[in-house]
Amino acid sequence: AQSVTQLGSHVSVSEGALVLLRCNYSSSVPPYLFWYVQYPNQGLQLLLKYTSAATLVKGINGFEAEFKKSETSFHLTKPSAHMSDAAEYFCAVSVSGGYNKLIFGAGTRLAVHP
Amino acid sequence: EAQVTQNPRYLITVTGKKLTVTCSQNMNHEYMSWYRQDPGLGLRQIYYSMNVEVTDKGDVPEGYKVSRKEKRNFPLILESPSPNQTSLYFCASSQTSGSYNEQFFGPGTRLTVL
Repeated sequence: AQSVTQLGSHVSVSEGALVLLRCNYSSSVPPYLFWYVQYPNQGLQLLLKYTSAATLVKGINGFEAEFKKSETSFHLTKPSAHMSDAAEYFCAVSVSGGYNKLIFGAGTRLAVHP
Repeated sequence: EAQVTQNPRYLITVTGKKLTVTCSQNMNHEYMSWYRQDPGLGLRQIYYSMNVEVTDKGDVPEGYKVSRKEKRNFPLILESPSPNQTSLYFCASSQTSGSYNEQFFGPGTRLTVL
């Protein structure tokens, strides 16, 4: 069965610093992986997704993630944090087998300090 | 504007009083799904629908019902709500049920059951 682990429920960085949000997955078949962002009082918005093409995936707002099969990881990074990046971030794996069910991690809340 | 809408956004009710949360999408998507979000647990799937009149249980279906009589609408029904159904609910849709598809999320419905 698929599962997702996000290390760190809260991450705090200074504006301009590197953002690194960790995600490890478990899957018995090649996975599809997603990062979603949730701003306060809003729904989830797709940041980026991995669908077995390039292992380095670029998304919106300067975020990117690298799929590492050997480490079963899909960490999210951004070189320079902005105040507007403060939000909750969810890593998710899509269950194979014919229907589009997402298995989510518990989420990481990112705080950005001036 | 392409979107998923949910109503109501906020609801406080009492144990046992039947309620319906509506969900509508204007993107002609085949696949729709309901998730609940609880602190520390991420999002978990309640029910999903692969097309009109085709629905199935997700991971946490107990106490919920759904219907899909029209392609655009996918209401969530709580026949006899209980306090453990207090949660933040999200409706989502995607083009098809393919596991690589991005899901588009509604803004959420915050439900409190007293």
